[in-house]
Amino acid sequence: VMTQSPATLSVSPGEGATLSCRASQSVSSYLAWYQQRPGQAPRLLIYGASTRATGIPARFSGSGSGTEFTLTISSLQSEDFAVYYCQQYDNWPRTFGQGSKVEIK
Amino acid sequence: QVQLVQSGAEVKKPGSSVKVSCKASGGTLDNYAISWVRQAPGQGLEWMGNVMAIFGTSNYAQKFQGRVTITADESTTTAYLELSGLRSDDTAVFYCATEFSTGIFDQWGQGTLVTVSS
Repeated sequence: VMTQSPATLSVSPGEGATLSCRASQSVSSYLAWYQQRPGQAPRLLIYGASTRATGIPARFSGSGSGTEFTLTISSLQSEDFAVYYCQQYDNWPRTFGQGSKVEIK
Repeated sequence: QVQLVQSGAEVKKPGSSVKVSCKASGGTLDNYAISWVRQAPGQGLEWMGNVMAIFGTSNYAQKFQGRVTITADESTTTAYLELSGLRSDDTAVFYCATEFSTGIFDQWGQGTLVTVSS
């Protein structure tokens, strides 16, 4: 089970945001982060816990291993207000967290 | 880079089946597994299963075992999701996604809304 916190984070544009994801058992570094904007498909941001996907801005960074993971967004831009999901791919079935919504304060 | 285009929205009766397609353009299915992910209205993401076309093998989440069939046709570079025994709580957007490496969903289709209603 993947558990994300907080459920909702209110942030002003230009500020940073830190999202957490906890796994109920170790997933090593087999952890990905996705961004989903309203009405759109998810977009891969981070895989291997800390590797940015192609075309993802450097303001997105991931860290952690085992059971504790963090997605950090420095200096939020307008397009960053969205829902973020973590997902483990160490075990079957692949499972997602319930999502963290980053909203404009 | 592969792009995925899914079939259009469907409205189905409870107890019926639905088959959603996902066509990959700009590449073949040889190098990818295709996964299907469900998202109920206002809810999170749920992995249903995948298919590896080159091997003709599929894996399913236990929750959907017996109701879901995921296949792929290499000749048309199209993957399919078939879900049977539809219930109202199957109403959702279904996404296909390529796995550029096992379990990492890098390219996504636009989603297909399936509404189950009597």
